[in-house]
Amino acid sequence: DAKTTQPTSMDCAEGRAANLPCNHSTISGNEYVYWYRQIHSQGPQYIIHGLKNNETNEMASLIITEDRKSSTLILPHATLRDTAVYYCIVRDTKIYNQGGKLIFGQGTELSVKP
Amino acid sequence: GAGVSQSPSNKVTEKGKDVELRCDPISGHTALYWYRQSLGQGLEFLIYFQGNSAPDKSGLPSDRFSAERTGGSVSTLTIQRTQQEDSAVYLCASSQDSFSTDTQYFGPGTRLTVL
Repeated sequence: DAKTTQPTSMDCAEGRAANLPCNHSTISGNEYVYWYRQIHSQGPQYIIHGLKNNETNEMASLIITEDRKSSTLILPHATLRDTAVYYCIVRDTKIYNQGGKLIFGQGTELSVKP
Repeated sequence: GAGVSQSPSNKVTEKGKDVELRCDPISGHTALYWYRQSLGQGLEFLIYFQGNSAPDKSGLPSDRFSAERTGGSVSTLTIQRTQQEDSAVYLCASSQDSFSTDTQYFGPGTRLTVL
């Protein structure tokens, strides 16, 4: 799996958009970009994933650059409850026989402040 | 519906004792994963089960660690002769299948403390 690079920490004001960047310059054409988050003392929670196109769901938007070497997770209106560690993960599409284990990096610790 | 559940939520044990951690996946999910998260560390993969296939044990740190999944549902992670470095939060996740696009749903974890 490709390696990802994320800032260690970020702050965001409550009600503002939180933009979390991720670099995955060695990503291959078969690899998806996944985002999970982990709120303190809880298990990780799935947010969103994408391959090439930008994606949006009820939680967030995912913007993937045209060359797919980086992406940005956008929380449009951050709340205090969005304070968590956010993990960007790349995951091969052709690993059926190997299983879909997730390889977590250190993530970005997002602090949403009032 | 019910999510992934794990028990116990907390376990304190003495060095050298054996422990068993339990995971109940979401009903109907065929793939089950164990991860652990040590203090200050990221999450690391331990073992993966998919249906009746042989499990992927590539992440188990030593032969003191083992896991089984009975009847394709409940899984038990066993740690024999526990050491202090085994102290961590052990997380279980399940997904409908093991295709790369299948979302993994995580349980709340079991916090293991080895004294």
